[in-house]
Amino acid sequence: GESVGLHLPTLSVQEGDNSIINCAYSNSASDYFIWYKQESGKGPQFIIDIRSNMDKRQGQRVTVLLNKTVKHLSLQIAATQPGDSAVYFCAESGGTSGTYKYIFGTGTRLKVLA
Amino acid sequence: DAGVIQSPRHEVTEMGQEVTLRCKPISGHDYLFWYRQTMMRGLELLIYFNNNVPIDDSGMPEDRFSAKMPNASFSTLKIQPSEPRDSAVYFCASRVGGMETQYFGPGTRLLVL
Repeated sequence: GESVGLHLPTLSVQEGDNSIINCAYSNSASDYFIWYKQESGKGPQFIIDIRSNMDKRQGQRVTVLLNKTVKHLSLQIAATQPGDSAVYFCAESGGTSGTYKYIFGTGTRLKVLA
Repeated sequence: DAGVIQSPRHEVTEMGQEVTLRCKPISGHDYLFWYRQTMMRGLELLIYFNNNVPIDDSGMPEDRFSAKMPNASFSTLKIQPSEPRDSAVYFCASRVGGMETQYFGPGTRLLVL
């Protein structure tokens, strides 16, 4: 989950298909995970979160999966729409970084093709 | 609820000038965070406050940066003197104690020439 720069991975998805965005986090002691969506020129917007005592959590059209064994987080978006085009960030907190500090991932750009 | 409010939305200044960024957190939120976002380093936490008190400023890049929170509804991030490498988008976020979700403002896009 270290924030590194320059090249943002891009996922291109056909409108109506499902999207899966992946994130590898760094701290095995982290106990809270969150996904944000950031549209161009805007601040990160909360999508969904999950605690480490869960493997899966569902929201409206979105599902977050947590695999603590391999320190992997994924965001699934069902029936992807043009409005879903944005950069998606995962963040972790807890453990040695403390409850209040988020460590953000690099981000993934989602492009929805019409 | 109006959400987190930041001003100005855009700031263009010349190297050496003082820059002040402002934030109004969501009413009732007792934690406030300042972040910086660049292409090279992504989103970085600069400092955060709890009940108007700075708790962790380990992310503040250097002494040119300072942040204050004189009351529960207002915070400032000041850069003096500004340098071109400070060009970035600065975000403010807030949360309520007991809940872990942070809510972000729209950001201030700073360009130092």
